[in-house]
Amino acid sequence: GAVVSQHPSRVICKSGTSVKIECRSLDFQATTMFWYRQFPKQSLMLMATSNEGSKATYEQGVEKDKFLINHASLTLSTLTVTSAHPEDSSFYICSAREGRAYNEQFFGPGTRLTVL
Amino acid sequence: GQNIDQPTEMTATEGAIVQINCTYQTSGFNGLFWYQQHAGEAPTFLSYNVLDGLEEKGRFSSFLSRSKGYSYLLLKELQMKDSASYLCAVMDSNYQLIWGAGTKLIIKP
Repeated sequence: GAVVSQHPSRVICKSGTSVKIECRSLDFQATTMFWYRQFPKQSLMLMATSNEGSKATYEQGVEKDKFLINHASLTLSTLTVTSAHPEDSSFYICSAREGRAYNEQFFGPGTRLTVL
Repeated sequence: GQNIDQPTEMTATEGAIVQINCTYQTSGFNGLFWYQQHAGEAPTFLSYNVLDGLEEKGRFSSFLSRSKGYSYLLLKELQMKDSASYLCAVMDSNYQLIWGAGTKLIIKP
């Protein structure tokens, strides 16, 4: 199957700093990338959907100025958590889809963010 | 509103069979997915159903009834490594995945 990578896998940062997470599709062109957040013992929550070359579409309740998403190429999307606070500590997972909307999403391995 | 329901937790014995149910109410339907997620890891794809009936893939099978808004994932010959959370997700009319909260499956020897 298709491979999606995420970097870093784990990050610990101080409150107030910004953290950038990269999501790459390694062997296919990701027309659409998705960013999810998952708190312990809870399901995936979609934060935003991004299509290559256009602005991301954020879900209700997700602050677009706090979670900056850039999908500059067909193989790379980045999520920047600006001015991170302890409540932003979570498991962030990206997924990528090639072509048509009904195609399968392939998930990255996730990034564990801990804000001290 | 859109809703996906699945049991929070289930326990089964190694070597046995377990069925995890999922019921849904969504705005439109473009298929139902089952994913497996081990603790601390990202979900991995198990199955996709868009037509009614049973899809079999090795020890795992998935069933769909669109008229009933119902699916189940059947795991046979359970192994300890099957201990994980199983996520049901429905693709709605906007081709967006709506996720259930997941069912934590505990396998006992």
